[in-house]
Order: sequence, then C-alpha cells, then structure tokens
Amino acid sequence: GENVEQHPSTLSVQEGDSAVIKCTYSDSASNYFPWYKQELGKRPQLIIDIRSNVGEKKDQRIAVTLNKTAKHFSLHITETQPEDSAVYFCAGSGQSNYQLIWGAGTKLIIKP
Amino acid sequence: DSGVTQTPKHLITATGQRVTLRCSPRSGDLSVYWYQQSLDQGLQFLIQYYNGEERAKGNILERFSAQQFPDLHSELNLSSLELGDSALYFCASSVGVQLDSYNEQFFGPGTRLTVL
Repeated sequence: GENVEQHPSTLSVQEGDSAVIKCTYSDSASNYFPWYKQELGKRPQLIIDIRSNVGEKKDQRIAVTLNKTAKHFSLHITETQPEDSAVYFCAGSGQSNYQLIWGAGTKLIIKP
Repeated sequence: DSGVTQTPKHLITATGQRVTLRCSPRSGDLSVYWYQQSLDQGLQFLIQYYNGEERAKGNILERFSAQQFPDLHSELNLSSLELGDSALYFCASSVGVQLDSYNEQFFGPGTRLTVL
C-alpha cells in the first residue's frame, strides 16, 4: 500500500550547522509533498511544500528538494537556530480520496 | 492562531465511556480531517470530510465515528473507551479538495483525552 518513510527518527545538530531530513514514498502518482513542524505541546504547522512539477523550493533558511525518479524528497535547514528544535513531519499525497500519507516524524535537536 | 477551534481542550474520562470532540474549521474551509497523536508518536490519520460527506478513512477504529454538519463543524465520537485511546486528537481544515490539487491543512490546538 501507500507508504512514506522518514529518516532519521532523531537528529541532533550543532547550532549553526545544517540539518537534512529525508523521506521516501511508494506511490509514483503522488504529486504533493508538504513538510510540517510541530513544536513541543503545539499544533503542526506547514513550513514548506513542493509539487511534482518542481525539483526544488526555497524559503529563507528552509529548502525542499524532490527526486521523482528515486521517489524521495528532503528538507534542508541551514544555519540552524534553537527555535528550529521541533518534530518535523513529511507527507505525500495519496492515490485515493486525496488524503495525505504521513511520515513518522523526525525529532530535531539543536545543540547550543 | 490557525482559525481552527477545538473543544474541549482537555477531557478526562473512564474506560468504557463515550465522548464527543468538536471541531470548527476555518471560515470558508470545506474539508475537515481528524488525527490521533499518542505520546511521542506520529500523526495517525483517522478520517476526512468534505462539505458534509465522508471522503477518506484511515486507521479509524469501529468504536470511533465522525460526522460533519451543514454548518461545516465536525464531531468525533469515541465510544467504549480503552486506556490506549488516551492521546491528543487534532482536527485540521483546508480550503477544499480539488482533483490533482492539494491545499494546506490548518491544525486546531487539539483535545487531550485521558482515559483512566
């Protein structure tokens, strides 16, 4: 069935360094890939998304890349800051009924 | 503030009981989604409604049911509650569902359910 795998489950980086979170999807028909950030005790919020007709999208320190051939997409955060500490979820559009298939989440820890 | 409201914020109940969680979507949003998030776990998609009709079902237990009313608010009913049902339940809304097009989901603050 449809599946989105997310790695790593936990990522610890030094403040100021870059962080990369990777997701792979199984459904070749998927065409929408959002990333959500969930801070501790708060609701998930969309931080960036990409559609299948685009290979890369940037928004300040955040970028997402998509490789349709390999069926994987990645979140890149540069110059990490303490406020980047959170759980990040990737998702891919599902084949049926327009639902999103969610990854398991990555806990990003920024070390001072 | 996402514009999505959920009530109650917290709910404590006993095993075997039934509860109803309520969600009001953002003004103008037609789609409502329900998610379950257990402690330190990911988002488990339960069910989606679009303009009053069920559109997609995830891993929703038979003890759980939901509906979306004509005013577009939604309710999630959980019955015969078990200890394992303790979790944070999120509602999210989006503008709508169009073929080949997806929209941002705006999440509510969640309802924390504790089953004792």
